[in-house]
Amino acid sequence: DQQVKQNSPSLSVQEGRISILNCDYTNSMFDYFLWYKKYPAEGPTFLISISSIKDKNEDGRFTVFLNKSAKHLSLHIVPSQPGDSAVYFCAATGGSGTYKYIFGTGTRLKVLA
Amino acid sequence: NAGVTQTPKFQVLKTGQSMTLQCAQDMNHEYMSWYRQDPGMGLRLIHYSVGAGITDQGEVPNGYNVSRSTTEDFPLRLLSAAPSQTSVYFCASSYSGRGSYNEQFFGPGTRLTVL
Repeated sequence: DQQVKQNSPSLSVQEGRISILNCDYTNSMFDYFLWYKKYPAEGPTFLISISSIKDKNEDGRFTVFLNKSAKHLSLHIVPSQPGDSAVYFCAATGGSGTYKYIFGTGTRLKVLA
Repeated sequence: NAGVTQTPKFQVLKTGQSMTLQCAQDMNHEYMSWYRQDPGMGLRLIHYSVGAGITDQGEVPNGYNVSRSTTEDFPLRLLSAAPSQTSVYFCASSYSGRGSYNEQFFGPGTRLTVL
């Protein structure tokens, strides 16, 4: 049973446009969500996070939105750049006493120049 | 800071062999973890540790052992390698496993093939 789902394996976007990556979760105990970016042959790198007490967090070109009622979060990248081409993973954690991070399967973003 | 380092980068094992994947961090992080990445499966948590002497199981712990004798090191042991353990393994660390400072820093990975 996959608790964190990224239903789009891939996404292509034109340079300068908005990229929207989606993530759904099933566990209502999750209270902290993170996005990671991964280039080939490298480890993932942290991008942005959001606590369940917020519905939006912004960092430069990256914004994460959280809709708790729908158990859905999204990552917006504006404007998209060719260097953003990578695999993006969402992750969730939470519940009292848990230190487990559950990752989605990833979305491969390709930004076309 | 070197960050999170992993050795080796690549390894080929035969079924039944044992080996240890090394992970070290120099950021004085309390929380460390091991993941495996398989095609279409994302990153799955194997084991984690919230401090020296404390470890716990993740989603897919079978076939793996860990120990945490120091803050810096968190080795992952494969007891008897199986082809199903062919994967890319990532070690990660963070200041804390909870709260605002739990963004994890990942190592570069170890690509393991079991024949």
